[in-house]
Amino acid sequence: DQQVKQNSPSLSVQEGRISILNCDYTNSMFDYFLWYKKYPAEGPTFLISISSIKDKNEDGRFTVFLNKSAKHLSLHIVPSQPGDSAVYFCAASARAGNNRKLIWGLGTSLAVNP
Amino acid sequence: ETGVTQTPRHLVMGMTNKKSLKCEQHLGHNAMYWYKQSAKKPLELMFVYNFKEQTENNSVPSRFSPECPNSSHLFLHLHTLQPEDSALYLCASSQAIPGQQNTEAFFGQGTRLTVV
Repeated sequence: DQQVKQNSPSLSVQEGRISILNCDYTNSMFDYFLWYKKYPAEGPTFLISISSIKDKNEDGRFTVFLNKSAKHLSLHIVPSQPGDSAVYFCAASARAGNNRKLIWGLGTSLAVNP
Repeated sequence: ETGVTQTPRHLVMGMTNKKSLKCEQHLGHNAMYWYKQSAKKPLELMFVYNFKEQTENNSVPSRFSPECPNSSHLFLHLHTLQPEDSALYLCASSQAIPGQQNTEAFFGQGTRLTVV
C-alpha cells in the first residue's frame, strides 16, 4: 500500500514549456514534502521542499504547490530545459517518535525535448 | 560532488561471498542512512544511524549487517545474499535535529549490486 504515489511513470515536454509533475499522498500525518532529482548512475539530489503550513514554495524555475485538502502536491518547472531530463522523486515526511519517517514515491521520468 | 562517497560503484558477488559496502560523508552530518532501490519499487529505508547509534532497522534480513564506527563512515556488510537482493544501494546523510522538519538528505552515487 503506497502512501506516496506518483501515478505518471514518465512525462515528455518540449523545451521552454512547463513541466508539471504530480504526487499524491494518503497519510494526513505527513507535514513536510520534498522533491529529489536523479540522473542515471547518480544518487538523488535534493531539489525543493515545502512545509504543510504553506501552499507554495518557489526557487528559481522550480515551484512546488501543496493542496492539503486534496493530499496532492505538484512540481512545476518553467521553462523546462533539456538538462532537466531526469527521474523526479516525491517524498513525504512525518514524525515517528523522536525520528522522522521519509516515504518515497516511485518517481516520474521527465524527458525534455530540444 | 555531493559530499557523500560510496565504494565500490559496482559489485558482483556470489551467494556464498562476504563483501562490504562503504560510505563516507564529508559534510559534518550526524545521521547516515542505507537505502535500497529495486526496480519498480520505491526507495526503501534499511537502516538509520543518529550520532553513530542505530535508531532504525526496517525489518532488514540479518544477511545485511550495518556498521557505523564514527559519524563520517557507514558500512553495509553482506553475506549469503540472494539474487533478489540485487539492487542499487544508496547511502545518505543529513543533519538531523530532533523534532525539526529539515530532513533533506544528501545521497551518494550508490553501489549497483548484482548477486549471482
